[in-house]
Amino acid sequence: AQTVTQSQPEMSVQEAETVTLSCTYDTSESDYYLFWYKQPPSRQMILVIRQEAYKQQNATENRFSVNFQKAAKSFSLKISDSQLGDAAMYFCAYETDKLIFGTGTRLQVFP
Amino acid sequence: KAGVTQTPRYLIKTRGQQVTLSCSPISGHRSVSWYQQTPGQGLQFLFEYFSETQRNKGNFPGRFSGRQFSNSRSEMNVSTLELGDSALYLCASSLALLADQETQYFGPGTRLLVL
Repeated sequence: AQTVTQSQPEMSVQEAETVTLSCTYDTSESDYYLFWYKQPPSRQMILVIRQEAYKQQNATENRFSVNFQKAAKSFSLKISDSQLGDAAMYFCAYETDKLIFGTGTRLQVFP
Repeated sequence: KAGVTQTPRYLIKTRGQQVTLSCSPISGHRSVSWYQQTPGQGLQFLFEYFSETQRNKGNFPGRFSGRQFSNSRSEMNVSTLELGDSALYLCASSLALLADQETQYFGPGTRLLVL
């Protein structure tokens, strides 16, 4: 069965600094998608970034980038130049025919 | 383009009652998925509808059901509510151009409290 593990329940970062959130997953599939979603206090789940497993190049969206290591089944999210608005729960998710979520990492951003 | 909308946003029910939640997907999106989020179990997949047919189902009891209409709007129903059904119910839509593996965009959720 596919599983997604986020081993950091909480992380904190100073404004303007860089932080990396970890995610590992387990699957026997070769073709799949990986996502990072952000859930602020409003509870709205917001797509941050997506990575296709067949692409070797790491996805980047402005200040957000991933380090995708397919052989190691690792998919970490790097947030550069952290902003107060980045404070939220971050969920890593794996998709084949449905999304399987990790348990989330709560990110705090300090001024 | 408007995002995914869910109604109602908040709901309070008592045990034994039933409830219907509604989800309108992004215009043009054909797939709608439902997820339950609780502090104890996290985010769990309920079911997915595509072209008015349930295409995939998670491990939830039969009290949880859903349907999709021809305009892709979806409803989920929970009968005989239990205290443990208190949760945030999230709906997500995707284009579903491929058989699967499409980016899902989420609505704001419906927070259900069962007393």
